[in-house]
Amino acid sequence: DTGVSQDPRHKITKRGQNVTFRCDPISEHNRLYWYRQTLGQGPEFLTYFQNEAQLEKSRLLSDRFSAERPKGSFSTLEIQRTEQGDSAMYLCASSLPPEQFFGPGTRLTVL
Amino acid sequence: AQSVAQPEDQVNVAEGNPLTVKCTYSVSGNPYLFWYVQYPNRGLQFLLKYITGDNLVKGSYGFEAEFNKSQTSFHLKKPSALVSDSALYFCAVSEGFSGGYNKLIFGAGTRLAVHP
Repeated sequence: DTGVSQDPRHKITKRGQNVTFRCDPISEHNRLYWYRQTLGQGPEFLTYFQNEAQLEKSRLLSDRFSAERPKGSFSTLEIQRTEQGDSAMYLCASSLPPEQFFGPGTRLTVL
Repeated sequence: AQSVAQPEDQVNVAEGNPLTVKCTYSVSGNPYLFWYVQYPNRGLQFLLKYITGDNLVKGSYGFEAEFNKSQTSFHLKKPSALVSDSALYFCAVSEGFSGGYNKLIFGAGTRLAVHP
């Protein structure tokens, strides 16, 4: 499969725990994006990487959120001290501009 | 600020009839416009884009969209709907290609229901 992959597909955690999600982009794409989608809404931009450099972060990305893309390949999104409001689908996309190709998402449920 | 409006939460159409899913946008510069489709428990699948050139763009699965600059619209269309087209459709816009990337701003989505 040469598409964008995300792991895990589902994550259930208790409030206050830390969680980490992984995204593997399409191999030749050097641009990688994270979005968050809540029920009944369109995806909202969180952050963007060009190669290993994180070039923009949304105000939605509080200090409990951190994202990395070591060596410009896969990316991780970590949420510390999860809150119930963090429950959402977290989508990763990679791009050979201009269109972005999305992975299947990680659905996070915070109890 | 960039924004996208999809005025219909749901569109119902009979199989074989033409369908239209509406989208209007607001950007300060030249828009790049996109349509994506989302099936249950799946990520977003790219359908088509408008960057420049002909106002009518054709995409996957027989879908097309018409860019109208004066009305700031980018409506999605298909001449003959299929039951399998039933899904959630998202319109998205980015303001050109600033800084070498294009952060997408999405509408809230329109659920398309095609009835046999």
